[in-house]
Amino acid sequence: NAGVTQTPKFRILKIGQSMTLQCAQDMNHNYMYWYRQDPGMGLKLIYYSVGAGITDKGEVPNGYNVSRSTTEYFPLRLELAAPSQTSVYFCASSYSGTGGVNEQFFGPGTRLTVL
Amino acid sequence: QKEVEQDPGPLSVPEGAIVSLNCTYSNSAFQYFMWYRQYSRKGPELLMYTYSSGNKEDGRFTAQVDKSSKYISLFIRDSQPSDSATYLCAMDSSYKLIFGSGTRLLVRP
Repeated sequence: NAGVTQTPKFRILKIGQSMTLQCAQDMNHNYMYWYRQDPGMGLKLIYYSVGAGITDKGEVPNGYNVSRSTTEYFPLRLELAAPSQTSVYFCASSYSGTGGVNEQFFGPGTRLTVL
Repeated sequence: QKEVEQDPGPLSVPEGAIVSLNCTYSNSAFQYFMWYRQYSRKGPELLMYTYSSGNKEDGRFTAQVDKSSKYISLFIRDSQPSDSATYLCAMDSSYKLIFGSGTRLLVRP
């Protein structure tokens, strides 16, 4: 199993450009998440999905969009990139049945710089 | 007030020291208390978790939860240079996790 994969690893964008961060998981997890991590700030939840076709906003959704048409893929779209979106982006997935710990598995991250 | 507070460090200790990492939280509804370890330029990985109050031990690592004080701890015995990483506490909230800001630990050989 590859686990959670993310592409690209690095990207530099100009202000106003758009891009899609790709995320895929092969563990048949129903939950998927997008976080951003700024230095010394921990992980902030951008969007999450509890299953195909269902997405919801997290703590910091402004400037981002997501879609989830299949269980495996959960792309994150940045429209009109701004310097404030310079960060490391992590995708994660978990399986949540009836109760139990929500162990999230993380991808390797995408380092994004907006200049 | 943040839901989860964690001292960002950095914490620098000599090899073999006992390390204590801590988090406080404000939401008494949290039931699962987790510790994630994140090596430089990598994604976080779950190290261990505790359900409700009490202790849990896994090798050199011990997690403690004190729900009455809303305080959790991670102890690392006989710390090794390979333990150098950022440690993030996390707590469950419905489908989501609330993360602390992470404590950067450096274990000097």
